Amino acid sequence: RKEVEQDPGPFNVPEGATVAFNCTYSNSASQSFFWYRQDCRKEPKLLMSVYSSGNEDGRFTAQLNRASQYISLLIRDSKLSDSATYLCVVAVQGNTPLVFGKGTRLSVIA
Amino acid sequence: DVKVTQSSRYLVKRTGEKVFLECVQDMDHENMFWYRQDPGLGLRLIYFSYDVKMKEKGDIPEGYSVSREKKERFSLILESASTNQTSMYLCASGAGSIYGYTFGSGTRLTVV
Repeated sequence: RKEVEQDPGPFNVPEGATVAFNCTYSNSASQSFFWYRQDCRKEPKLLMSVYSSGNEDGRFTAQLNRASQYISLLIRDSKLSDSATYLCVVAVQGNTPLVFGKGTRLSVIA
Repeated sequence: DVKVTQSSRYLVKRTGEKVFLECVQDMDHENMFWYRQDPGLGLRLIYFSYDVKMKEKGDIPEGYSVSREKKERFSLILESASTNQTSMYLCASGAGSIYGYTFGSGTRLTVV
């Protein structure tokens, strides 16, 4: 299982700011991509899948660049409740275990 | 929604004890996983299973074993607990990697 690399942060941003996280993966055969969110002392929860054409869910936009092997997550109009650790997740083939990055910590400050 | 239930939220055990961590999912998923999570190390895969009575080693299987006698239940066993197994243990299940996983709420195990 290949690595997934993320900047650990922390990213400290004011409310209302736009913040972007990037993640790189090393295995060019990777096929499935996700962003998970993990609150302090809680379990990871699926935030969104990442599709080749990019996708948006409210204030969250995910992008995939297969050529450069990176995934991004953009959060617009940050809320205090967005404070969490964001995990970049990759799978190589249909049923191989997901590979998790170590996460990027975000703190949104009032 | 898929529900993944871990039997204990917090557990304190003594060195040398045999420890059982139970995980049950209610969505008929084929695939189940055990991870541990430690500060700075992220999620590390211990064991996984794609079917009843089937198991595969993950990245850090040493000191652990698993049991999957029924599709909905995947147990992690620490044969002889040691202090370096103090960690957060997370169980997950999924229908296939393309759908992502659902995690249980975790068991914070302390070995003293």
